[in-house]
Amino acid sequence: GIQVEQSPPDLILQEGANSTLRCNFSDSVNNLQWFHQNPWGQLINLFYIPSGTKQNGRLSATTVATERYSLLYISSSQTTDSGVYFCAVGNNAGNMLTFGGGTRLMVKP
Amino acid sequence: DTEVTQTPKHLVMGMTNKKSLKCEQHMGHRAMYWYKQKAKKPPELMFVYSYEKLSINESVPSRFSPECPNSSLLNLHLHALQPEDSALYLCASSQVAGASGLAYNEQFFGPGTRLTVL
Repeated sequence: GIQVEQSPPDLILQEGANSTLRCNFSDSVNNLQWFHQNPWGQLINLFYIPSGTKQNGRLSATTVATERYSLLYISSSQTTDSGVYFCAVGNNAGNMLTFGGGTRLMVKP
Repeated sequence: DTEVTQTPKHLVMGMTNKKSLKCEQHMGHRAMYWYKQKAKKPPELMFVYSYEKLSINESVPSRFSPECPNSSLLNLHLHALQPEDSALYLCASSQVAGASGLAYNEQFFGPGTRLTVL
């Protein structure tokens, strides 16, 4: 199956700082999603981005499918951004959504 | 409506109990999923239903029994569980795309059921 690696595994930011989270994957994909898991366990969809660039407020994401990586940018971080960020990928070859290990983000006031 | 609902939110059960987890979506999606997530780990796929038929079973023990009564509902029946089965159980749904019916689009997750087995 597809291997998905996220970095860094842990990240501590001061409120207002910017950050970049990375997701590397081992095979071609036609599904790539970024999620934010809040402290109650809810997985919140951030981006569906198998390729290209998208922006939503302070968040943006870029996937370079040919080089098998995706980046999630968080600008002007807020304490409510704290939680775990997961990248998950899948393709048509029977591989369902496979999650990376996550990046645990803590934003301090 | 882009919501997937799950009940109950929390469940505590003994090893001899039988219980069921329920999931519902009204987005017209024809694929539904069960995932299991242990603490500080990513979600792991358990089952996939496509057009109300079980299409993937990721070698899950038979003490977990899924059921898809219709296109909006997904159940997970639990029997004779072990303490190590304690986890967050997440349901998700997505459209099915592609002529082969094997392509799956963006998945949307419910809030999960936090299960404790005593």
